[in-house]
Amino acid sequence: DIQMTQSPSSLSASVGDRVTITCRASQSISSYLNWYQQKPGKAPKLLIYAASSLQSGVPSRFSGSGSGTDFTLTISSLQPEDFATYYCQQSYSTSMYTFGQGTKLEIK
Amino acid sequence: QLQLQESGPGLVKPSETLSLTCTVSGGSISSSSYYWGWIRQPPGKGLEWIGSIYYSGSTYYNPSLKSRVTISVDTSKNQFSLKLSSVTAADTAVYYCARHAIFGVVIIDYWGQGTLVTVSS
Repeated sequence: DIQMTQSPSSLSASVGDRVTITCRASQSISSYLNWYQQKPGKAPKLLIYAASSLQSGVPSRFSGSGSGTDFTLTISSLQPEDFATYYCQQSYSTSMYTFGQGTKLEIK
Repeated sequence: QLQLQESGPGLVKPSETLSLTCTVSGGSISSSSYYWGWIRQPPGKGLEWIGSIYYSGSTYYNPSLKSRVTISVDTSKNQFSLKLSSVTAADTAVYYCARHAIFGVVIIDYWGQGTLVTVSS
């Protein structure tokens, strides 16, 4: 099975900060990597797919990069509504779509 | 606008079978471009992918749950269902149904609101 590891597990930041979250796969997954945002009590929302493609309707301050085993999600200038938990997810293995453990982004 | 809605008991006894149904509205479950799946989230924890099904009935399951999971589809009702047998307290979670869109990569682009299932006697 492909394991996904995110870092950090939690992060404190201020409005306006630039934030980067990392996701590492246990084997190469090419660019089959998606990022989701989840707010308390809500279903996750797709932000980035195929490592770097912005889902329709998602603000351009969100960006993704990487390929192979190492990926990053960057928020260029944090807004109050961005404080949430972020998950990466691989779709390389067609029989098993693994999520990372999540990164909780909190207000400093 | 596509909508997914989970339904089923919110309380299940240990050793029994958890059964949930997802009703899809605003789109057809028979489209060749999508899988339909289940994801769960224990309280305060992360997301765990359970499995998915194609409208033809082809299924994919998380290996760690495979022996206990059955996902089925009813195209006439535009619904798909989850059964998880021999549940324990560790199966207590919010269960989401979701659409998996296939276009080179697979993305989970529509989610239900989630339903909390508690396993307790």
